[in-house]
Amino acid sequence: DADVTQTPRNRITKTGKRIMLECSQTKGHDRMYWYRQDPGLGLRLIYYSFDVKDINKGEISDGYSVSRQAQAKFSLSLESAIPNQTALYFCATTPGSGGSQETQYFGPGTRLLVL
Amino acid sequence: AQTVTQSQPEMSVQEAETVTLSCTYDTSESNYYLFWYKQPPSRQMILVIRQEAYKQQNATENRFSVNFQKAAKSFSLKISDSQLGDTAMYFCAFLTSGTYKYIFGTGTRLKVLA
Repeated sequence: DADVTQTPRNRITKTGKRIMLECSQTKGHDRMYWYRQDPGLGLRLIYYSFDVKDINKGEISDGYSVSRQAQAKFSLSLESAIPNQTALYFCATTPGSGGSQETQYFGPGTRLLVL
Repeated sequence: AQTVTQSQPEMSVQEAETVTLSCTYDTSESNYYLFWYKQPPSRQMILVIRQEAYKQQNATENRFSVNFQKAAKSFSLKISDSQLGDTAMYFCAFLTSGTYKYIFGTGTRLKVLA
């Protein structure tokens, strides 16, 4: 089974709809991240969380909100989806300790299309 | 602001040949980490190799190696004996130990030709 899972894998929605993307991990990591990937722009950080009570905005948080329901779960919401939020969304985790454990582990991605 | 630049949007290489992907970064920090991630058509992000800035020795993982030039702030990826399965988008990424926020480059799309 995958260590980091994302649901749904693909989603089509309409402008103005609320949508939630979910991420779960079985790695026991403290730190979780949400990114969006757009062609030619690489991955950009939306939100990140170092534990259940610590949530931080990334560089492009406008139009998004998150919830860290538990150590293992980190959800991303689009309160009112708009077409320029069409993108590939990734969840990632890191162990949260230094040294050689700073590698990020990614989920399989959610492809979102907003019509 | 810290930035990561990948100046080659697309590259191609013949199977079994060697190719080098470029990455430069900008930071005033002295303690940081650098990564190369591969994204094949399956879109999964896969770690290829990592380098700690305090280590002078260049990291190597099988056919993948890096040329880390700290003073020049350069972190290139060399792929030897290229294989068709190496066809993917490659992202360079940077992390400072203080912020724990990763910064990604815009990617280089590599195509290995048969």
